Amino acid sequence: DADVTQTPRNRITKTGKRIMLECSQTKGHDRMYWYRQDPGLGLRLIYYSFDVKDINKGEISDGYSVSRQAQAKFSLSLESAIPNQTALYFCATSDRLALDEQFFGPGTRLTVL
Amino acid sequence: KNEVEQSPQNLTAQEGEFITINCSYSVGISALHWLQQHPGGGIVSLFMLSSGKKKHGRLIATINIQEKHSSLHITASHPRDSAVYICAPLTGNQFYFGTGTSLTVIP
Repeated sequence: DADVTQTPRNRITKTGKRIMLECSQTKGHDRMYWYRQDPGLGLRLIYYSFDVKDINKGEISDGYSVSRQAQAKFSLSLESAIPNQTALYFCATSDRLALDEQFFGPGTRLTVL
Repeated sequence: KNEVEQSPQNLTAQEGEFITINCSYSVGISALHWLQQHPGGGIVSLFMLSSGKKKHGRLIATINIQEKHSSLHITASHPRDSAVYICAPLTGNQFYFGTGTSLTVIP
C-alpha cells in the first residue's frame, strides 16, 4: 500500500463550487505539505503543517484553506473554485530528522470549468 | 524566494550515454533535493544532500554550497531513465522547485 495517498485522483468541477482534496499518510511523519504544479512552472507551495496545531501559508495560499485533522491527515479546500485553479495537486510529507526529504502522494488532477 | 535554474530544459540521449543535469540557485540553502517525475506524474525522491556527493546505483548527485550549484549524473543511461528530473533547494522551511529537465533516452 502507498505511504501517501490522495483522494480523489481526478476531479472535474464547475466555477464557484467548493472542493476538498484529501491526503493521508502512514509514514508517521509530522510534517505535511500541499503543492500545485502547472505546466512550465515548478511545484509551488500552497500550505504546510509541521504538526496538528501548526498551519502555515506557503507561496500561493490565496483561494485555498487547509485542515490538519490528525497527524496522518491533511486536507486542502478550494472554497469557491475558479478556472485558474486547474492544476495538478500534490501532497507531501517529511521528517525533519531526515533533512525534510519529501515523500509525495500520487497527485490529484483538478479541472475547474 | 530562491530562484532556481536547471539546465538543460530538455535532453535526448542514446542508451548508454553519461548524462549531466545542472541546477543553480540564488540564495543560501541548508540542503537540496533531487526528484524524478515519471511520465504518469508520480514524483519520487532520488537524493537529499547538504554537502559533497551521494551515489545510488547509476545515479550520482553532487553539490557545491559555496558555488550555489548542484549536478545530477546518470551513468550508462537506459530508456527507463526517461523522466523529468527536478531539483529543489531548501531555504528556511521551504523548498523552491526548478521547472525540471526532461530526459529522453533512446534505445
